[in-house]
Amino acid sequence: DQQVKQNSPSLSVQEGRISILNCDYTNSMFDYFLWYKKYPAEGPTFLISISSIKDKNEDGRFTVFLNKSAKHLSLHIVPSQPGDSAVYFCAASDQSNTGKLIFGQGTTLQVKP
Amino acid sequence: EPEVTQTPSHQVTQMGQEVILRCVPISNHLYFYWYRQILGQKVEFLVSFYNNEISEKSEIFDDQFSVERPDGSNFTLKIRSTKLEDSAMYFCASSERRGGPNEQYFGPGTRLTVT
Repeated sequence: DQQVKQNSPSLSVQEGRISILNCDYTNSMFDYFLWYKKYPAEGPTFLISISSIKDKNEDGRFTVFLNKSAKHLSLHIVPSQPGDSAVYFCAASDQSNTGKLIFGQGTTLQVKP
Repeated sequence: EPEVTQTPSHQVTQMGQEVILRCVPISNHLYFYWYRQILGQKVEFLVSFYNNEISEKSEIFDDQFSVERPDGSNFTLKIRSTKLEDSAMYFCASSERRGGPNEQYFGPGTRLTVT
């Protein structure tokens, strides 16, 4: 039951360029979306989130876009830095208010100097 | 900056043994969670916990699993009789809120290896 999908297992970009990570979902009851970053041997670190009533949220170099009609969101990192190299997870929560997060499979981003 | 801590970082156990994974959530958080990640797979929700009760549990969280908040700071996950397929990274998380913008903060994880 893959309600949250990240179809690109990996992405490689040059330092200074834009990184775009994509995420699709199937459950229209999701009302909140989050992006997490994970380094090896560490837990996921919260990056940025967006409510389903918005279409864009920006925090420094990170911007998340939400297209509800397409059930698609993306994370833009501009400019990309080598320290951004990590696995990025998209996650979603629904309106049940239990707090459960449903994660995508993750995309490994490599930023080359 | 406050953070979620987990102990031990690595636990090796034999099949059929009981294990207890420990977590100290962020102190002003009221909602607690356990997730696991089997090597190479996605992070999977196990259970959410609030006000000394389970709010929701996944299909993975069967009768072999239990959670407890034994005191004001610790949050534990117990697996009564471990199986080989329980080998995974187990992450504890906590949040201030349950719905809406409930950014969850994760601990570094416990790697459980069942032999």
